Amino acid sequence: DAGITQSPRHKVTETGTPVTLRCHQTENHRYMYWYRQDPGHGLRLIHYSYGVKDTDKGEVSDGYSVSRSKTEDFLLTLESATSSQTSVYFCAISEFNSGANVLTFGAGSRLTVL
Amino acid sequence: KNEVEQSPQNLTAQEGEFITINCSYSVGISALHWLQQHPGGGIVSLFMLSSGKKKHGRLIATINIQEKHSSLHITASHPRDSAVYICAALAYGGATNKLIFGTGTLLAVQP
Repeated sequence: DAGITQSPRHKVTETGTPVTLRCHQTENHRYMYWYRQDPGHGLRLIHYSYGVKDTDKGEVSDGYSVSRSKTEDFLLTLESATSSQTSVYFCAISEFNSGANVLTFGAGSRLTVL
Repeated sequence: KNEVEQSPQNLTAQEGEFITINCSYSVGISALHWLQQHPGGGIVSLFMLSSGKKKHGRLIATINIQEKHSSLHITASHPRDSAVYICAALAYGGATNKLIFGTGTLLAVQP
């Protein structure tokens, strides 16, 4: 979507390798989120950020770490990928603007761990 | 029990029917989003509600803050409305507002 990009969009990797997914925004939104989406589970929060260097864990954070060194970038790292981390990963950005909450999702990153 | 519950999980309708999808939540919220995801597609926000009712074309969303309940209605449904509809609550958290998602409603509108 306009203002938010995810990279890579598709990745195939092997068990045990490190993987980093990048979320980049041009909207200067404060809040950024990483979710995974799996059949039967819907969207589940991995980690989120409420400012530069301010991050917190979500409900499925084990095996994942994040970093946000600048407003526009939120990185999700799998230190040692496992097959259970095969999923579609969505980044989202959010901000309050004129009393409304603006929410925008990235196009998703499909990760396959063999 | 999930903090955000949606019903039904699956819904099949005939073209032209009036459709209602429900969302109940148990946390304090500052806003609630209705999202749409087409098969294999991205996720878009249809509505953001903090009170009352909003309408966009054939879509209507309502929220009752006291009852902690929101509904998404589709009038004169069409096969192109077939998608997963997700409600997402923006829970109070001071500086750390967190989105909590329902598991989604898979809607299939048959011609």
